[in-house]
Amino acid sequence: DGGITQSPKYLFRKEGQNVTLSCEQNLNHDAMYWYRQDPGQGLRLIYYSQIVNDFQKGDIAEGYSVSREKKESFPLTVTSAQKNPTAFYLCASSRGPYEKLFFGSGTQLSVL
Amino acid sequence: AQKITQTQPGMFVQEKEAVTLDCTYDTSDPSYGLFWYKQPSSGEMIFLIYQGSYDQQNATEGRYSLNFQKARKSANLVISASQLGDSAMYFCAMRDQRNQAGTALIFGKGTTLSVSS
Repeated sequence: DGGITQSPKYLFRKEGQNVTLSCEQNLNHDAMYWYRQDPGQGLRLIYYSQIVNDFQKGDIAEGYSVSREKKESFPLTVTSAQKNPTAFYLCASSRGPYEKLFFGSGTQLSVL
Repeated sequence: AQKITQTQPGMFVQEKEAVTLDCTYDTSDPSYGLFWYKQPSSGEMIFLIYQGSYDQQNATEGRYSLNFQKARKSANLVISASQLGDSAMYFCAMRDQRNQAGTALIFGKGTTLSVSS
């Protein structure tokens, strides 16, 4: 079945450490997105990519980095510069402009 | 600036009753799209229903319907005949017009729906 796979489901980060969240899709979608969700809050856009080898900053890109080397993959790195990384991270994809987003099952990141 | 407002942090309903979840939005663009997503405790976001600003009729998908009042800038989700499995958080969203391709969505803060037997 087609879908979006996020891994790991739970991730722990130590002080000063970079961690990478994986997002893979087999829907053949061009656009991919990363959102952050804090308790009681809506989703906030971190980065998005409309095509391979291109990506744009969202509203809260500071302390995060991404790459889009393959159409299927859009990994998110949470760097040590992100001082408050504890949150639920959701990856999504869409076929293109004006299409609905399909989401993965999320990664819960916590700080040790 | 675009904004989505969901004023109900939590809603409670009994099985088989209908419930309305409120959503108001603000945008200066005449062309826009509104989405509703469901997030169960597992965390995954599930698409429920879509309404385009130029659609002549209110959108419906099974037990879900959208009460779209363009002049009031509201797009309330109506769930008929609630089921225990409807207990989840519900998010209203609209396309982000800040980037030309308009692919990303901006979300409200959500409403937690609890259905009791």
